[in-house]
Amino acid sequence: GQQLNQSPQSMFIQEGEDVSMNCTSSSIFNTWLWYKQDPGEGPVLLIALYKAGELTSNGRLTAQFGITRKDSFLNISASIPSDVGIYFCAGYTGANNLFFGTGTRLTVIP
Amino acid sequence: NAGVTQTPKFQVLKTGQSMTLQCAQDMNHEYMSWYRQDPGMGLRLIHYSVGAGITDQGEVPNGYNVSRSTTEDFPLRLLSAAPSQTSVYFCASSIAGQEGNTIYFGEGSWLTVV
Repeated sequence: GQQLNQSPQSMFIQEGEDVSMNCTSSSIFNTWLWYKQDPGEGPVLLIALYKAGELTSNGRLTAQFGITRKDSFLNISASIPSDVGIYFCAGYTGANNLFFGTGTRLTVIP
Repeated sequence: NAGVTQTPKFQVLKTGQSMTLQCAQDMNHEYMSWYRQDPGMGLRLIHYSVGAGITDQGEVPNGYNVSRSTTEDFPLRLLSAAPSQTSVYFCASSIAGQEGNTIYFGEGSWLTVV
């Protein structure tokens, strides 16, 4: 299957700090997505990106679709305790298959 | 996660047993899929369906069967459970043709095969 490399694997940050994580692939994707998963629950969509170069915000979250279509990043500004969770990037190749990254586990220290 | 219901939430199986994970959605979505999530890995697609009567294999289909007799239901069957199938399983649904932004996930089913 497609390989999505997500980094970092885990982060420990102080409340109020900004967070940045990214995802790279050896393949081109038509759509990049970012999800958050809380313990014991399914992933919830945060941001969807549909074209190369697109920069989209959702509250304190900002994500960009890389120009090469092989990467994307997610930034979280002014982190708060409820940002804790696992963040996944995911990409569509256009063939009904959604491929997920390995996740970034975020811990916010109050 | 409203609209996608998975059962059971937790299950322990013995090697060789069979079982079915149920998934139902009430949003009239055409597209449904099953993923498994293993430690340190992202979700991997097992099977998917673009509508009633149509199913197809995803990235890791071996050991699993699916059927889609109605729009609402998409059960996942393990015919002969193996320890390698110990995982968390997520069902998802979306409106076909709208990639990404309308995918809804269930809350997950934790399966342990001993």
